[in-house]
Amino acid sequence: GIQVEQSPPDLILQEGANSTLRCNFSDSVNNLQWFHQNPWGQLINLFYIPSGTKQNGRLSATTVATERYSLLYISSSQTTDSGVYFCAVDEFFPYSGGSNYKLTFGKGTLLTVNP
Amino acid sequence: DTAVSQTPKYLVTQMGNDKSIKCEQNLGHDTMYWYKQDSKKFLKIMFSYNNKELIINETVPNRFSPKSPDKAHLNLHINSLELGDSAVYFCASSQENPGGRTDTQYFGPGTRLTVL
Repeated sequence: GIQVEQSPPDLILQEGANSTLRCNFSDSVNNLQWFHQNPWGQLINLFYIPSGTKQNGRLSATTVATERYSLLYISSSQTTDSGVYFCAVDEFFPYSGGSNYKLTFGKGTLLTVNP
Repeated sequence: DTAVSQTPKYLVTQMGNDKSIKCEQNLGHDTMYWYKQDSKKFLKIMFSYNNKELIINETVPNRFSPKSPDKAHLNLHINSLELGDSAVYFCASSQENPGGRTDTQYFGPGTRLTVL
């Protein structure tokens, strides 16, 4: 199956710093999503970004599908940005009724933002 | 209004028991999923349903069985619980895309299952 690798595994920042999280994947994909899991466990979808660049406030993401990677940028980090950031990609699979896709997740980057 | 809801939020039970986790979405989505997150935070899909049809059935013990009474609900039944079943279980939903490609997924709050 497809391999999804995220780096760094852990990151500690001071409030106000900027950071870049990386996601590499081993095969071509149709879709890539970034998620944030806050310290209370809630998973929030940040971006649906199969290619190109998107921005949402202090966060932006870029996917270069031809080179099989995606980057998540966090600017002016805040303590509320703490948590685990996951990248997930579409993985094609056949089944008896036809074919479909499923999301395969990386192991995440644990971000801690200190005040 | 909560988009994807799960009950219960916490479930503590003894080995050998049978338990269920309920999931409901009010987003009008066609596809619903169950994921398992282990103690190392690794997320892995278990099942997906599209319009009440089982689409994804990963290699999980057959003690786990999903049941979808309608497209807004996907419940997870677990029989003969084992210590290794302790984890956080997430329900999610998404709209259907042509060819089965995944769309933006929305997750429920999770159910933390502890088997003693």
